[in-house]
Amino acid sequence: EVQLVEFGGGLVKPGGSLRLSCAASGFTFNTYSMNWVRQAPGQGLEWVSAISSTSRYIYYADSVKGRFTISRDNDKNSLYLQMNSLRAEDTAMYYCARYLVTPPDFWGQGTLVTDSS
Amino acid sequence: AIQMTQSPSSLSASVGDRVSITCRASQGIRNDLAWYQQKPGKAPKLLIYSASSLHSGVPSRFSGSGSGTDFTLTISSLQPEDFATYFCLQEYNYPWTFGQGTKVEIK
Repeated sequence: EVQLVEFGGGLVKPGGSLRLSCAASGFTFNTYSMNWVRQAPGQGLEWVSAISSTSRYIYYADSVKGRFTISRDNDKNSLYLQMNSLRAEDTAMYYCARYLVTPPDFWGQGTLVTDSS
Repeated sequence: AIQMTQSPSSLSASVGDRVSITCRASQGIRNDLAWYQQKPGKAPKLLIYSASSLHSGVPSRFSGSGSGTDFTLTISSLQPEDFATYFCLQEYNYPWTFGQGTKVEIK
C-alpha cells in the first residue's frame, strides 16, 4: 500500500524555522520526483517546491525561493522541506505528493504549520 | 508564471445533473493539465491528467477536454459523493500553478 506521511509541522513564530518530513512507503521512492504543495486555511492549493528522483533538478515557487530548501534521502525513503524566515502567510497545511509520468497521483494527509503570533 | 483562471468559483447542482467546470491558462500549455477533487479535511485526489485521460479507479462519469489554453471538466451525472471542491493544475512548466477552485454544492 502506497503511503506518504508528513510530520514536523507546528506553531512557529515569524522569522522562525521548521523542518518538515515526509516518509514514503509502498512504492519505489527513488524513481519518483516529489513535490510539496500547501493550502492556507480555507484557501486554494499552492505548489511550493519539487525535486527530481536523483535531486538533480529542484524548483521553487517565487513565494518561498531563498527561504525554503527541499531535499530527499533515497536511502531513508524520505523527503524534507527546511523552512526558514517563516512569515504569517506561510501558515498552511503542507502536503507531499509523488510525481512520475502523470501529475501528482498520490498525496499524504498533510502537516499543519501555524503562525503563533 | 502561468495563471490559471477557473470558473465558476462555486455552483449548486442536483444529483443527476450534468456539470462543467472550466480552466483557462494565460498561455498555451499543450494538454499538460490535470483535475483534482478535494473533500473537506482530505488531500486532493487526481481525476484527470493530460487534459482528458481518466486516472485509474476514477468513475467514467468524469471526463476532461481541451488543449492549449481552454479546458473543461465535465461530470455527466452528479452523484452524492461528487459534492466537493475541484481544482485544475498546469504542469506544463515550473512554477506549477493551480486554478482557484470550484466548490460544487448540493442544490
